Amino acid sequence: GESVGLHLPTLSVQEGDNSIINCAYSNSASDYFIWYKQESGKGPQFIIDIRSNMDKRQGQRVTVLLNKTVKHLSLQIAATQPGDSAVYFCAENLVYGGSQGNLIFGKGTKLSVKP
Amino acid sequence: NAGVTQTPKFQVLKTGQSMTLQCAQDMNHEYMSWYRQDPGMGLRLIHYSVGAGITDQGEVPNGYNVSRSTTEDFPLRLLSAAPSQTSVYFCASSLLTGAASGANVLTFGAGSRLTVL
Repeated sequence: GESVGLHLPTLSVQEGDNSIINCAYSNSASDYFIWYKQESGKGPQFIIDIRSNMDKRQGQRVTVLLNKTVKHLSLQIAATQPGDSAVYFCAENLVYGGSQGNLIFGKGTKLSVKP
Repeated sequence: NAGVTQTPKFQVLKTGQSMTLQCAQDMNHEYMSWYRQDPGMGLRLIHYSVGAGITDQGEVPNGYNVSRSTTEDFPLRLLSAAPSQTSVYFCASSLLTGAASGANVLTFGAGSRLTVL
């Protein structure tokens, strides 16, 4: 999950296992959430999104779960592959006074997949 | 269609020098933004723009200026670089979909790594 400080939390999984990455978001007014994947030396890439009126959304090998009661978001990756090794960020879209809002990012979790 | 292009990829500055990080997108996106990424800190929003001629401050705007004279370009200026501005900078853009949908799926550039000595 997310943490404060200089050290990135790391999740280490065996190839073929399922991975679960957790994120606690900060604002109950956030209406939209996104997971991004960042590989070394590259910019973040969109994985999957979910709106606040949903509690689950599935993509190809990925599922995002949203629990608004405890302000918690999780990303599940099925049958994790070496190519899934990256840093994963959750982001919440915070809307101010009718504007579109801006994405506020969590601090990231490093996923390491062992062959 | 190149997406979001950032230049330069790497830059070393001395304290007090000024420079501009360039960002250009060819997707006709109204929304553009700059983030900085530091170890263990995630991505923090510096400045953003919802269209040509409109800019606003994000979470960490001090020490940075932006302008948006065209839809395509959103340069980030460091007026007097400080070691605390050593970071990786990302430019990102998206369509403006309106508050009703709240969607803001950003497309990111590859990043610009800045070192201030």
